[in-house]
Amino acid sequence: AQSVTQLGSHVSVSEGALVLLRCNYSSSVPPYLFWYVQYPNQGLQLLLKYTSAATLVKGINGFEAEFKKSETSFHLTKPSAHMSDAAEYFCAVSAMNRDDKIIFGKGTRLHILP
Amino acid sequence: GAVVSQHPSWVICKSGTSVKIECRSLDFQATTMFWYRQFPKQSLMLMATSNEGSKATYEQGVEKDKFLINHASLTLSTLTVTSAHPEDSSFYICSARPGQANTDTQYFGPGTRLTVL
Repeated sequence: AQSVTQLGSHVSVSEGALVLLRCNYSSSVPPYLFWYVQYPNQGLQLLLKYTSAATLVKGINGFEAEFKKSETSFHLTKPSAHMSDAAEYFCAVSAMNRDDKIIFGKGTRLHILP
Repeated sequence: GAVVSQHPSWVICKSGTSVKIECRSLDFQATTMFWYRQFPKQSLMLMATSNEGSKATYEQGVEKDKFLINHASLTLSTLTVTSAHPEDSSFYICSARPGQANTDTQYFGPGTRLTVL
């Protein structure tokens, strides 16, 4: 079974500050890990994904995430927040080389303070 | 590339009526499509997985007779909410996986907001 835990349903950072959104996963098999962003009343856009290649994954819009197996974590970071980054962020996990269901975390709403 | 559309983007219906939502992969063939439901300020919950030409696989707790899924072609899947009730009001999102060896990528549609009066 797989699951994802996102720490903090709401995170607020000042514009220009570091963004850190936390995600821990549980998986009985090697995982694929994803971060998605959702703007109000819209679908999901893939930010980045980990698929067993490099542990540091770079995505769109300046985001990156690091897969740490020892900590079962896949935290999302961005060095400098922009107002346009305000959105809901979902961490997700699926089983590598097995089925392709994606299990989503509960989401973290990122607020950017001017 | 890899665009998924949903139609309609929003729908309002009376209680007891049925509503059909379409999910289309516009520039690729999708052997597998997924239907999710999202309540306000909550995460996406997988409802069912549909494979082209076969019956959908429903997640535990999802009523297959209430949420009818048809995946008749490699570019179209439909979700029909039968005899809709106010508690069915939600944001429904589909995703599609291209029919390629790489199985880790799903592309999401923009969602359909259903309001049942």
